[in-house]
Amino acid sequence: DAGVIQSPRHEVTEMGQEVTLRCKPISGHDYLFWYRQTMMRGLELLIYFNNNVPIDDSGMPEDRFSAKMPNASFSTLKIQPSEPRDSAVYFCASSLRQGANEQFFGPGTRLTVL
Amino acid sequence: GENVEQHPSTLSVQEGDSAVIKCTYSDSASNYFPWYKQELGKGPQLIIDIRSNVGEKKDQRIAVTLNKTAKHFSLHITETQPEDSAVYFCAATSGSRLTFGEGTQLTVNP
Repeated sequence: DAGVIQSPRHEVTEMGQEVTLRCKPISGHDYLFWYRQTMMRGLELLIYFNNNVPIDDSGMPEDRFSAKMPNASFSTLKIQPSEPRDSAVYFCASSLRQGANEQFFGPGTRLTVL
Repeated sequence: GENVEQHPSTLSVQEGDSAVIKCTYSDSASNYFPWYKQELGKGPQLIIDIRSNVGEKKDQRIAVTLNKTAKHFSLHITETQPEDSAVYFCAATSGSRLTFGEGTQLTVNP
């Protein structure tokens, strides 16, 4: 398996623009997680899905953030409109079972909002 | 919710020495404690984990200990090598989510 795939790897955009980050989890994994990593706040869980259904979105910072998982092999994290404070590395991870099973992380998307 | 504290934030050792990173957690219901290694420009990768019914686990040069009474767990790396240089994160479960510590930048000097 190729592991968790994320695209793009780098994204530079201007404040106010819409940003869409993409993730393909490992085939057969039932759980998908979106994390944000910054120097100030470390690794934060934004939202996670089980069998394509959002289970916990309490980490989503505000209404500008939204996530979808239309099928078992694809998820998106959208920021609209983007702000400079959204600049961070966004990771997608997947696991067979949430909590007590290994989470496999993708390579991340480095987002810079000017 | 769960709160995980990790120390130290930076650690520098000589090649061949041992390195120890410590974490404490707040939720007594937590039952799974993984450790992740993150190299520059990459996502975190699981290196070892321990569950609440075990006090210690070892995998070659890496070991983890857990003290549930005191609510702390530690990562031990022996015979460190330059390729061990990375950021290490501890984590703990709290209900249905993993909470990560703030990370330790480990530098192994040749």
